[in-house]
Amino acid sequence: DTAVSQTPKYLVTQMGNDKSIKCEQNLGHDTMYWYKQDSKKFLKIMFSYNNKELIINETVPNRFSPKSPDKAHLNLHINSLELGDSAVYFCASSPWTGVTDTQYFGPGTRLTVL
Amino acid sequence: QQQVKQSPQSLIVQKGGISIINCAYENTAFDYFPWYQQFPGKGPALLIAIRPDVSEKKEGRFTISFNKSAKQFSLHIMDSQPGDSATYFCAALMGSSNTGKLIFGQGTTLQVKP
Repeated sequence: DTAVSQTPKYLVTQMGNDKSIKCEQNLGHDTMYWYKQDSKKFLKIMFSYNNKELIINETVPNRFSPKSPDKAHLNLHINSLELGDSAVYFCASSPWTGVTDTQYFGPGTRLTVL
Repeated sequence: QQQVKQSPQSLIVQKGGISIINCAYENTAFDYFPWYQQFPGKGPALLIAIRPDVSEKKEGRFTISFNKSAKQFSLHIMDSQPGDSATYFCAALMGSSNTGKLIFGQGTTLQVKP
């Protein structure tokens, strides 16, 4: 009965490869997010979708492309991976984008680019 | 203006002591201030949150103190326990943006010694 799940948990790949991270939530939420946590643990929003519509698109290289096939899924595809993409990527969801809506985070995907 | 500054970066407290983590912001349009707790290998989870029309909020051993005029807020953990050892993030959100975009502080790694 996992609320927000991500696959894979670990991803090790070579520079230049293309990879995807999948996220699913079973909370019935309308909004989903992708965050990047760097090696210093700093958390930064990358994207958010509300009912499959892109709401937030931060200054992220266009090698990163989110895709939301339905409101329960938000996947992150990364092209031409670079060393600096190594980080932990968290998916999150919330009922709506309202002020007091709690964001529920997944367990994270640790991406290592060699 | 979009930053939230958090201090200290790390904190060591004896069991039973009080842990205090401070945050400051510039943008007066922020109107929701949550604290998230993150254990190693896990995603962040909401701990407690406050809105600026309240100066203090308490939930069990956790208290947020909010100083609107100084644009500062802090988390106090009373009777700190080894199980509280984690990374704590303050955050801020601008409800009027209707995006759910959380701006996180840099994080504080708390170690509670037995």
